[in-house]
Amino acid sequence: DVKVTQSSRYLVKRTGEKVFLECVQDMDHENMFWYRQDPGLGLRLIYFSYDVKMKEKGDIPEGYSVSREKKERFSLILESASTNQTSMYLCASSLLGRGTSASLEQFFGPGTRLTVL
Amino acid sequence: AQSVAQPEDQVNVAEGNPLTVKCTYSVSGNPYLFWYVQYPNRGLQFLLKYITGDNLVKGSYGFEAEFNKSQTSFHLKKPSALVSDSALYFCAVRDMNTGRRALTFGSGTRLQVQP
Repeated sequence: DVKVTQSSRYLVKRTGEKVFLECVQDMDHENMFWYRQDPGLGLRLIYFSYDVKMKEKGDIPEGYSVSREKKERFSLILESASTNQTSMYLCASSLLGRGTSASLEQFFGPGTRLTVL
Repeated sequence: AQSVAQPEDQVNVAEGNPLTVKCTYSVSGNPYLFWYVQYPNRGLQFLLKYITGDNLVKGSYGFEAEFNKSQTSFHLKKPSALVSDSALYFCAVRDMNTGRRALTFGSGTRLQVQP
């Protein structure tokens, strides 16, 4: 069965702390994504990675960085957490998606609800 | 640029009645379209997708969606709603003709099915 796991379901941190959110997938997917979900705004893409050590900025990368040292693992880093980063963070993965015959749907983890005080 | 609009924040329907959750999209090329569902305190689950071919797409849990190119819409439908269908539904799009690998999601529509 397809599986994406995230290291924590709930996390509470203080302003200024460095925060690591970990995501692991067991499907040998090339693409991995980090989104944040806020009420009324849907999901917004923070960063994604299409290969080990490769990354691209999404729509809202400010205040975040990422790391992908192994194919199965994609980490989101908040260098100095701020209260406006309180949100639900969702990790997803998908196949590379070459051509219309490739499966393109993204598989999501359960999410990490981060509160920054 | 690619974008998705879900015009309704919430849809209320009685159990047993048909339901429709609306989605319109904007892309410069041809779209890949998706519907996902999110149950409370869970991640998103894939429901169905349109890539090419038949405009009526059938998915999980009895849901279907109709791709309408002229109206740039991809509405989610189900003939008979269940209370257990109550959840948050997201439409998403990816433009086939751009290099962007990520999906763009709508703001979500909360479906409430009353017994």
